[in-house]
Amino acid sequence: ETGVTQTPRHLVMGMTNKKSLKCEQHLGHNAMYWYKQSAKKPLELMFVYSLEERVENNSVPSRFSPECPNSSHLFLHLHTLQPEDSALYLCASSQSLAPGYGYTFGSGTRLTVV
Amino acid sequence: KQEVTQIPAALSVPEGENLVLNCSFTDSAIYNLQWFRQDPGKGLTSLLLIQSSQREQTSGRLNASLDKSSGRSTLYIAASQPGDSATYLCAALTQGGSEKLVFGKGTKLTVNP
Repeated sequence: ETGVTQTPRHLVMGMTNKKSLKCEQHLGHNAMYWYKQSAKKPLELMFVYSLEERVENNSVPSRFSPECPNSSHLFLHLHTLQPEDSALYLCASSQSLAPGYGYTFGSGTRLTVV
Repeated sequence: KQEVTQIPAALSVPEGENLVLNCSFTDSAIYNLQWFRQDPGKGLTSLLLIQSSQREQTSGRLNASLDKSSGRSTLYIAASQPGDSATYLCAALTQGGSEKLVFGKGTKLTVNP
């Protein structure tokens, strides 16, 4: 474990379902991120939170809704997804948004939309 | 817009060989560059972080170098082992308003026993 824990590890959902991905970090970091990793594409940044405030929304469709109730927890709420949303969703954290700090990633949630 | 390229996309070597993975980036205005390892279906494990003011970092059999002026970084793996088989990703933390960690597509390494 890297200190960033993601649940569930695997998720299969229908296009009409609503589900949530959870990320938790115990590193005392103040910045958290959601990334999407699709086959044969570089990791894509989705959302950035700093001290529980969203600082970036990288043109992500509204069917993805993030939530950061505190600096240790980050959620990604999913509804009416499309099959092309199937991917590995990775959560990461860093000490802060100030440059110079490395990122720590979780193990990801493998999402399949059927 | 920062673009990160990793060459080769895949590499297969016999056990014991020393090897170099390459990473290039188009915008030299970076804060740091980070190398990660990803095992199949798993998350990313950070290997080395090089700040923009540094030239290299070492951890065990791994050595990463950074040349900002030429927009290049290399990851050197000494005496490769089958357990090194994984996909290696480099990512540049890029300056410019909204600092972003921009990733390459990775190099898939296979070390054959």
